[in-house]
Amino acid sequence: DGGITQSPKYLFRKEGQNVTLSCEQNLNHDAMYWYRQDPGQGLRLIYYSQIVNDFQKGDIAEGYSVSREKKESFPLTVTSAQKNPTAFYLCAIGTTGELFFGEGSRLTVL
Amino acid sequence: ELKVEQNPLFLSMQEGKNYTIYCNYSTTSDRLYWYRQDPGKSLESLFVLLSNGAVKQEGRLMASLDTKARLSTLHITAAVHDLSATYFCAVDDNAGNMLTFGGGTRLMVKP
Repeated sequence: DGGITQSPKYLFRKEGQNVTLSCEQNLNHDAMYWYRQDPGQGLRLIYYSQIVNDFQKGDIAEGYSVSREKKESFPLTVTSAQKNPTAFYLCAIGTTGELFFGEGSRLTVL
Repeated sequence: ELKVEQNPLFLSMQEGKNYTIYCNYSTTSDRLYWYRQDPGKSLESLFVLLSNGAVKQEGRLMASLDTKARLSTLHITAAVHDLSATYFCAVDDNAGNMLTFGGGTRLMVKP
């Protein structure tokens, strides 16, 4: 089965803990993206990567970190420095702008 | 900084009616995208508009792009309940690096 796989689908975290969200793709796309969506809001870009071992900050990178060691994988770590991490996180792949999204990971901080 | 604004933010309409959602953006761009999101779900690509004057249609939805006015419209014809969802427009930064999304229009179609 091909496409974009995000895991976990739901995640609960205690304050002060780091968590890592997984995003895997088998579509051989170079570009991968992480967006955050708050309830009733649009999407905001956290980080993106256009090639292995390289990534750039988006509009709201503070409190997040990423890595791109393999073309297929672009994990996002939500660190304890992120003050309001409860949100819906969407990973996407794309070429020349058009994006295709994973199913998302919903993070709740208790 | 690229800004994208949609209006209305919320739209309640009767089945069978027509309506238009507007998407304005602040800087030059030739590429605009429309997405649909059902509650609790991810985003689904609807339309890709890549040039001034581009028009795309799929079923009861039609999208157009006027790059000179920095405006895109999503027109709904004879709405049906299945169209109830949140619709987002997104604009490319012209470098192909990232999309900036509007705040979304939540559409509710009542029988």
